[in-house]
Amino acid sequence: GAVVSQHPSWVICKSGTSVKIECRSLDFQATTMFWYRQFPKQSLMLMATSNEGSKATYEQGVEKDKFLINHASLTLSTLTVTSAHPEDSSFYICSARGGDAGQGVGYTFGSGTRLTVV
Amino acid sequence: KQEVTQIPAALSVPEGENLVLNCSFTDSAIYNLQWFRQDPGKGLTSLLLIQSSQREQTSGRLNASLDKSSGRSTLYIAASQPGDSATYLCAVRQGGSEKLVFGKGTKLTVNP
Repeated sequence: GAVVSQHPSWVICKSGTSVKIECRSLDFQATTMFWYRQFPKQSLMLMATSNEGSKATYEQGVEKDKFLINHASLTLSTLTVTSAHPEDSSFYICSARGGDAGQGVGYTFGSGTRLTVV
Repeated sequence: KQEVTQIPAALSVPEGENLVLNCSFTDSAIYNLQWFRQDPGKGLTSLLLIQSSQREQTSGRLNASLDKSSGRSTLYIAASQPGDSATYLCAVRQGGSEKLVFGKGTKLTVNP
């Protein structure tokens, strides 16, 4: 089945530094990947849609300059949290649709990244 | 705007019991509905995917139904086990969109 690998699984960084999170589709090509944020006891909130070879589409209220998304290949999307602050501490999860082409395919999620900014 | 609601928010049952988790959505123009499981601090594992034209899907002890016209889906878990303890999320994909809208989940605890 489709596998999405996300790294790191957890990271602690100092306030003001930047952190990069990687999301890879291991056995299929993903032209589109999605980045979510999850607060404790809350559901997943879509942050942005990452499109291979083009600019990401951000949801309303998400700062594109703070959360930089790059989707340079069909198997890799990265999320960089720039100038991180404690309020950016959260659980970030990526997902991709596939690995079969065509309709009716569900979404596969990465294992998530717990970011703590101190 | 699509809204997804899951009831109950938490559920505790003894091992061996059959149980039903509920998911409702406000806009019936969906493309499909997907049930996920999330363990604490982990990502999401897909359990079942139901297309808008389908009524139900089954996988092992899990059965998911979909009533699009009434905006409801249920996840039935038979003969529950402690290993089933997790948060169960349902997500709706809207027609014409690739985005998923999630409910807040039902936290299930199965007691030995």
